[in-house]
Amino acid sequence: EAGVAQSPRYKIIEKRQSVAFWCNPISGHATLYWYQQILGQGPKLLIQFQNNGVVDDSQLPKDRFSAERLKGVDSTLKIQPAKLEDSAVYLCASSLGNRGYTFGSGTRLTVV
Amino acid sequence: GESVGLHLPTLSVQEGDNSIINCAYSNSASDYFIWYKQESGKGPQFIIDIRSNMDKRQGQRVTVLLNKTVKHLSLQIAATQPGDSAVYFCAETSLLRGGADGLTFGKGTHLIIQP
Repeated sequence: EAGVAQSPRYKIIEKRQSVAFWCNPISGHATLYWYQQILGQGPKLLIQFQNNGVVDDSQLPKDRFSAERLKGVDSTLKIQPAKLEDSAVYLCASSLGNRGYTFGSGTRLTVV
Repeated sequence: GESVGLHLPTLSVQEGDNSIINCAYSNSASDYFIWYKQESGKGPQFIIDIRSNMDKRQGQRVTVLLNKTVKHLSLQIAATQPGDSAVYFCAETSLLRGGADGLTFGKGTHLIIQP
């Protein structure tokens, strides 16, 4: 079975610029998650989708971060404008109910 | 602050020895726990999971122990190999809503295998 696909793998932007990340979950997985992993720390949940609806976005900095999951499959996470402290790896994960919680390889963002 | 993770930044063991990585959690509502392995440049990789109605679960060379009384989780890796070198995270969540909520991760333990 194909894994969770993410792109790009790396991105370098200047502060105040915008950036977008893309995720394609495992086929059939209804639940999709975006996590932020700062260097040396564990991943932190940003937002959770069930199909194309938001289940939990309580930790998403909504003044600059946005995410959507059109048609309940692919998802994009956007940051606008980016800050230096947004430098991190952005991980996408998907699951089928309470099974098969699988992560992608992530997008490493560097804000300079 | 973090609700999961007794933080031991680095654990160094000899190849062939057994490794034990520990984790504490504080959310009594958590009923599902997962151990992940993360290698440099990769996303977390599932190792083993356990539900709160169990105390122990075994996989291939790995065992997870859950002590709900003291809210403690451990991962035992038997006969460690060079390929086991990675950062290990414990994570917790609740399945009460019938599906998987987002995971809360600890800070991780870097396991180093000495030849």
